[in-house]
Amino acid sequence: QVRVVESGGVVVQPGTSLRLSCAATGFTFSSHVMHWVRQAPGRRPEWVAAISPDGNNDDYAESVRGRFTISRDNSKNTVFLQMHSLRPEDSGVYFCARDQLQIWLCVGLLDSWGPGTLVTVSS
Amino acid sequence: EIVLTQSPATLSLSPGERATLSCRASQTVSSYLAWYQQKPGQAPRLLIYDASNRATGIPARFSGSGSGTDFTLTISSLEPEDFAVYYCQQRNYAPTFGGGTKVEIK
Repeated sequence: QVRVVESGGVVVQPGTSLRLSCAATGFTFSSHVMHWVRQAPGRRPEWVAAISPDGNNDDYAESVRGRFTISRDNSKNTVFLQMHSLRPEDSGVYFCARDQLQIWLCVGLLDSWGPGTLVTVSS
Repeated sequence: EIVLTQSPATLSLSPGERATLSCRASQTVSSYLAWYQQKPGQAPRLLIYDASNRATGIPARFSGSGSGTDFTLTISSLEPEDFAVYYCQQRNYAPTFGGGTKVEIK
């Protein structure tokens, strides 16, 4: 059974840093593209970042490029999101999602999602 | 950025009725269009991918159609568990989501 579970969401002040983790089980983690997607209350989901199966390629939404870094540890079946210079508009539930694809092309077929972890950026 | 516009914003229907949801892209996304269902407090769930393919375990009452810029999700006969918010999402470019259609009980 495919399962991904996020952790690390907390309340932080603007300008600070935070690292989210996502642990995956039930599938060959090292074969799949992985994503982070966030959603503010009452808003549409917003794709944040993606990483290739081998970790050598990544991509980011313009709203987070240069501030966020996605990485993965295939030996631990875990994907991370390092967030710097956090802003109030970064607040929301952060979801980790598996891509059905195993190649780095037209990524974004999100077939399994975690329950999410809440990040609140507020002074 | 590809902008996806969904209509209507809200659809008020009764169980057993047919639901037709629309998604229009600001430029072609080929067939790289998916539909997700989201219930309160839950993550989105993949229903349809590549415009017309049902995801694993999705009932046959859900169907998708379209290509290019205009897409449709149809629920042939609404079940009580189908009342939720539905989002379209494209992956021809950096992924983006539509604003959602809420299917509510009339």
